Amino acid sequence: DAGVTQSPTHLIKTRGQQVTLRCSPISGHKSVSWYQQVLGQGPQFIFQYYEKEERGRGNFPDRFSARQFPNYSSELNVNALLLGDSALYLCASSLYVDTQYFGPGTRLTVL
Amino acid sequence: RKEVEQDPGPFNVPEGATVAFNCTYSNSASQSFFWYRQDCRKEPKLLMSVYSSGNEDGRFTAQLNRASQYISLLIRDSKLSDSATYLCVVNGGSQGNLIFGKGTKLSVKP
Repeated sequence: DAGVTQSPTHLIKTRGQQVTLRCSPISGHKSVSWYQQVLGQGPQFIFQYYEKEERGRGNFPDRFSARQFPNYSSELNVNALLLGDSALYLCASSLYVDTQYFGPGTRLTVL
Repeated sequence: RKEVEQDPGPFNVPEGATVAFNCTYSNSASQSFFWYRQDCRKEPKLLMSVYSSGNEDGRFTAQLNRASQYISLLIRDSKLSDSATYLCVVNGGSQGNLIFGKGTKLSVKP
C-alpha cells in the first residue's frame, strides 16, 4: 500500500511569493494534518482536516490556509512568504483523528 | 512550562547499551501518547503508542505515568541503526493535533 505522498519534495521561493503544497493520504484515511518543522525543533501543528472540514488550527498567521478535497487529498497554501517560513512541511494521515502517519515532507526554502 | 519537554541530548552510547529517554507533558487532559523516531532530514515515523499499562515491542519498552504526567522509552541492546532523534508526542485534545517535544538525539557507536 502506498503511504502518504507529498509534492513537491523541494521548493525554493523568494520573499513575498505564494506557495501551494500538496498531500495525498493513505488510502482509506479521511483525516489530514499539516505540520511545520524548523531545524532543531519538533513539528508544529498548522491545520487538521477531517471529511473536508477544518477540525483544528494551530497558532499560525492567516497567510497560512488549507483545504481538503472530496478524495481526501489536501493542499496547504502560504501567501506573502517570509524568510522564517523556510522549513520542512509535513503532512500526516490518519483514519480518524488518532494515530498519524507522516509523508516525506516538502522542504521549502525562502530566499 | 513547555507543553512537552524531553531530556536534552545528545545521547552517545556504545552498541549493546541500554538507554532511557524521559518526557513530561503539561496538559493533564491528554489522552494519547506516542514515541516517534526521526532520521536526519526524513519524516517522523511512529515507533510505538504508549499506554498506561506500559507496552513492549522487541527491544523497546514505553511507560506512561498519568499522575506524574511522565512518559519514558527504554531501548535495550542498542544497535547502530537505532541512531536517530526520538520525539515524545502527546495528543493535543479535541482538535486531534499532535504536540511534539524537541526530540532527543541518540548516537549509537560501534
